[in-house]
Amino acid sequence: EVQLVESGGGLVQPGGSLRLSCAASGFTFSSYEMNWVRQAPGKGLEWVSYISSSGSTIYYADSVKGRFTISRDNAKNSLYLQMNSLRAEDTAVYYCARVSVSAGGGDYWGQGTLVTVSS
Amino acid sequence: DIQMTQSPSTLSASVGDRVTITCRASQSISSWLAWYQQKPGKAPKLLIYKASSLESGVPSRFSGSGSGTEFTLTISSLQPDDFATYYCQQYNSYLWTFGQGTKVEIK
Repeated sequence: EVQLVESGGGLVQPGGSLRLSCAASGFTFSSYEMNWVRQAPGKGLEWVSYISSSGSTIYYADSVKGRFTISRDNAKNSLYLQMNSLRAEDTAVYYCARVSVSAGGGDYWGQGTLVTVSS
Repeated sequence: DIQMTQSPSTLSASVGDRVTITCRASQSISSWLAWYQQKPGKAPKLLIYKASSLESGVPSRFSGSGSGTEFTLTISSLQPDDFATYYCQQYNSYLWTFGQGTKVEIK
């Protein structure tokens, strides 16, 4: 069974840092592209970042560029999001999502981890 | 960046109704469009990919159509489990973008 489990969320002060993790199981993690998507409370879905299966290609949304860093460890079946210089507007549930090889969209999503940026 | 515009934002309907949600892309995305269903406190669930292909396990009352810039999601006969928020998403580029969502409410 495919599973994606996020962790690392919590309460952080503006300007602080947090590292999110996404543990993958039930599939060959190293074969799949991955994304981070976030959802602010009561709002819609916002794409955050993409990483290729090897980690060699990375993209970011303009809203997080220069502050967030996506990475992966295929040996540990894990995806990461290092978030620095956090702002109140980064408050959201953060989801990791697997890119479907055949479909192209996100076919499996984690349950999400809540990041709250507040003083 | 490609912008996605969904309509309506909210839709009130009854069980058994036929429901249609529209999504418009700011530029052509061919058929690189997905539809998701999201319930409160849950992750999005993929319903439709490549504009009209039904994801495995999704009931056949869901269907998608369109190409280029205009797309629709249709629920042929609304069921109690279908009251949720629906999002379109383009993946013509690696930079995904989502529509703002359509909340389907009980009339």
